[in-house]
Amino acid sequence: KAGVTQTPRYLIKTRGQQVTLSCSPISGHRSVSWYQQTPGQGLQFLFEYFSETQRNKGNFPGRFSGRQFSNSRSEMNVSTLELGDSALYLCASSFDKPQETQYFGPGTRLLVL
Amino acid sequence: DQQVKQNSPSLSVQEGRISILNCDYTNSMFDYFLWYKKYPAEGPTFLISISSIKDKNEDGRFTVFLNKSAKHLSLHIVPSQPGDSAVYFCAAVWQAGTALIFGKGTTLSVSS
Repeated sequence: KAGVTQTPRYLIKTRGQQVTLSCSPISGHRSVSWYQQTPGQGLQFLFEYFSETQRNKGNFPGRFSGRQFSNSRSEMNVSTLELGDSALYLCASSFDKPQETQYFGPGTRLLVL
Repeated sequence: DQQVKQNSPSLSVQEGRISILNCDYTNSMFDYFLWYKKYPAEGPTFLISISSIKDKNEDGRFTVFLNKSAKHLSLHIVPSQPGDSAVYFCAAVWQAGTALIFGKGTTLSVSS
């Protein structure tokens, strides 16, 4: 079956703009998590959604938001982009809880100029 | 404050030898631990996990050891192969939690 897909794969934006990233989980998976990966910080948890509800949120400013649709697809939005938002954004899905093995997408590489 | 720490940013090993990757955690609420492997330009892939009720879990060449009293776990790869060269992330979660907490990763290089 198809894996986790993320679009777009690469994105270049300028400071102050906003961006929306999309994630389609594996069919049947209802939990979607988002992570930010930067060279110095590793993978940092952004938020997790299950059945259209945010169940958990990491320690990121309110400029980072997300949502999940009824088909489990998820989007994350970053408003008023800053240079420090340049990172690889990874989406992962699982049936229910992340302990049940999360499957990651290839990520969206965001560059903020 | 980092709850999951991988103190060695990199590790170099010769093919055929054992690779030992270490991970320490501070939150005693964690009760499930996972290792992920990541190649460049790809998302992390699940490797092996261990529940806090066990102290060892084995899957082929990969074995994870958990020392709860020391809040320490390690991943052993025997024998190491060049294809194992990747970044390895340790992650932890607690039963009621819905977030994986990752370490910063260790880059393993296996030379032939």
